[in-house]
Amino acid sequence: AQKITQTQPGMFVQEKEAVTLDCTYDTSDQSYGLFWYKQPSSGEMIFLIYQGSYDEQNATEGRYSLNFQKARKSANLVISASQLGDSAMYFCAMREGLDGGFKTIFGAGTRLFVKA
Amino acid sequence: DAGITQSPRHKVTETGTPVTLRCHQTENHRYMYWYRQDPGHGLRLIHYSYGVKDTDKGEVSDGYSVSRSKTEDFLLTLESATSSQTSVYFCAISESLTSLNEKLFFGSGTQLSVL
Repeated sequence: AQKITQTQPGMFVQEKEAVTLDCTYDTSDQSYGLFWYKQPSSGEMIFLIYQGSYDEQNATEGRYSLNFQKARKSANLVISASQLGDSAMYFCAMREGLDGGFKTIFGAGTRLFVKA
Repeated sequence: DAGITQSPRHKVTETGTPVTLRCHQTENHRYMYWYRQDPGHGLRLIHYSYGVKDTDKGEVSDGYSVSRSKTEDFLLTLESATSSQTSVYFCAISESLTSLNEKLFFGSGTQLSVL
């Protein structure tokens, strides 16, 4: 069964608008971490933001915020004021605790296109 | 930027030939990982290492072996390459294994084509 589900293979957003990239996860672990990584066309993987399962507030990093809804097991990435440089592939990832062997697993990704 | 170098960056090989990909890090991180990236699958863990000569399997380890004889080097070997192993391979490192907030640092990837 998929542990990380990203249902949007591709998304378009107008420059300067906000966009939400969806991510749902499945785990029985009480302790886990959620991450978003960005992969530009150049191919490197860039860490964007982290949310811990016990964190009560949503994580924010500049224009990135993580909308964490624990009961719904969702960890959506919100990018505010989109820029052309935000065009990239975005991966949601989860690091489970002891039950998951502390491994990081990734979703299939969402490709974001920012239109001028 | 984390000092992670993958070599080669690109490789084309034939079915049935052995292939070795190298990951070299200068960060002295204990934990190293090999992932493969395929469309529709994201990144999937092949093998990982938690120290010199200590390795374990990931979710897609069949057809792959690894070795780590030094902290800084982690080798991925395809004993007899198949077309299904055509992929982009990423090496990653982390300082801790059991910290939930431990982010991964990635190399630039190796594009492998098996014809």
